[in-house]
Amino acid sequence: DAKTTQPNSMESNEEEPVHLPCNHSTISGTDYIHWYRQLPSQGPEYVIHGLTSNVNNRMASLAIAEDRKSSTLILHRATLRDAAVYYCILRDEVKGSNYKLTFGKGTLLTVNP
Amino acid sequence: NAGVTQTPKFQVLKTGQSMTLQCAQDMNHEYMSWYRQDPGMGLRLIHYSVGAGITDQGEVPNGYNVSRSTTEDFPLRLLSAAPSQTSVYFCASSRTSLFGYTFGSGTRLTVV
Repeated sequence: DAKTTQPNSMESNEEEPVHLPCNHSTISGTDYIHWYRQLPSQGPEYVIHGLTSNVNNRMASLAIAEDRKSSTLILHRATLRDAAVYYCILRDEVKGSNYKLTFGKGTLLTVNP
Repeated sequence: NAGVTQTPKFQVLKTGQSMTLQCAQDMNHEYMSWYRQDPGMGLRLIHYSVGAGITDQGEVPNGYNVSRSTTEDFPLRLLSAAPSQTSVYFCASSRTSLFGYTFGSGTRLTVV
């Protein structure tokens, strides 16, 4: 399975943008890039996913490098509620293996007031 | 629309006891999974199901059984609890592809 690499921790100030990087140099053509976050004492929460093009939704934006070997999750204005562990996950959409999410240790985002 | 419901939220078991962690979803999702999360670690897949009547093992299946008799329910059975199974357990469901997983709020299990 292709692996992802994320920084262990990052810090941001409230109301500033946050760019969370993820490297996935061995990504395959059928891997979608998924992002989840886990707030303290809660289950993971789906944030966004994409394949090749940049994606936007109400929670965040996902910028994918042209060679797809890296991606960046962008929170446009961080709030205290965005403090969480953020996981970058590759989900293989090939039938037979697209059921699973392989979680790493993620990036712990601290948001300062 | 309740999403993914897990019961109980907390449980203490004695070594050797058995129990079933319940998971139910009302979104008609085909995919369901069980994960465990140990302190300071990411989630690890225990068992998964791609539809009613179909289950398979994940990364850490030993000591756990599952069944999927309906689309809605995916219970996880601990056959003979061991202290190494002390963990937080999360159930999740998803449509087949191209959609994110919805997770339950977790069951915190302690085996003494």
